[in-house]
Amino acid sequence: GEDVEQSLFLSVREGDSSVINCTYTDSSSTYLYWYKQEPGAGLQLLTYIFSNMDMKQDQRLTVLLNKKDKHLSLRIADTQTGDSAIYFCAEVRATGKLIFGQGTTLQVKP
Amino acid sequence: DAGVIQSPRHEVTEMGQEVTLRCKPISGHNSLFWYRQTMMRGLELLIYFNNNVPIDDSGMPEDRFSAKMPNASFSTLKIQPSEPRDSAVYFCATEGGAVNTEAFFGQGTRLTVV
Repeated sequence: GEDVEQSLFLSVREGDSSVINCTYTDSSSTYLYWYKQEPGAGLQLLTYIFSNMDMKQDQRLTVLLNKKDKHLSLRIADTQTGDSAIYFCAEVRATGKLIFGQGTTLQVKP
Repeated sequence: DAGVIQSPRHEVTEMGQEVTLRCKPISGHNSLFWYRQTMMRGLELLIYFNNNVPIDDSGMPEDRFSAKMPNASFSTLKIQPSEPRDSAVYFCATEGGAVNTEAFFGQGTRLTVV
């Protein structure tokens, strides 16, 4: 389909790992992104992965890319209450269009 | 740089009125995107410009919506006439145009049409 798809909601306990999943559509996307949106604010880039990589680790964040299945995931280790936010995956299509998923709301319970 | 600047931050208007949302991109960024965010539909791309030229406006919902970028420093999104279903947060985002460039978002304009 045309859409970048994500599950809408994830709830975890503080200290657990969170895994947010995304499927994208354009196999020619060179970069795939994860953005974070805090309440009342715009989106901010969290991390990204180049399409020829399978995995990227950045402190508590691990991004996994399965290019065959067009599946992207974001793992947050040792999730904290400050990680509560909406997380968006995004792809840049061949035309330059930057398309976002609908966002996954992460709720972290103390 | 102050980042992407959008105005107004909040707009409340009556149905049928014209609404103009404004965006000042980061200096030097040559791609500009307008998004609309609602609970029901998430973050939708309305239109994007490259070097002030509209590249793809397929996300613009209806003829009531129009967008312009008269120069590299300014873009507008206009809704005329506005309807209650246009109520949403409208974001402008810009990027520098290289292969991997972060898109920077403004704070958004929360539009309420009553």
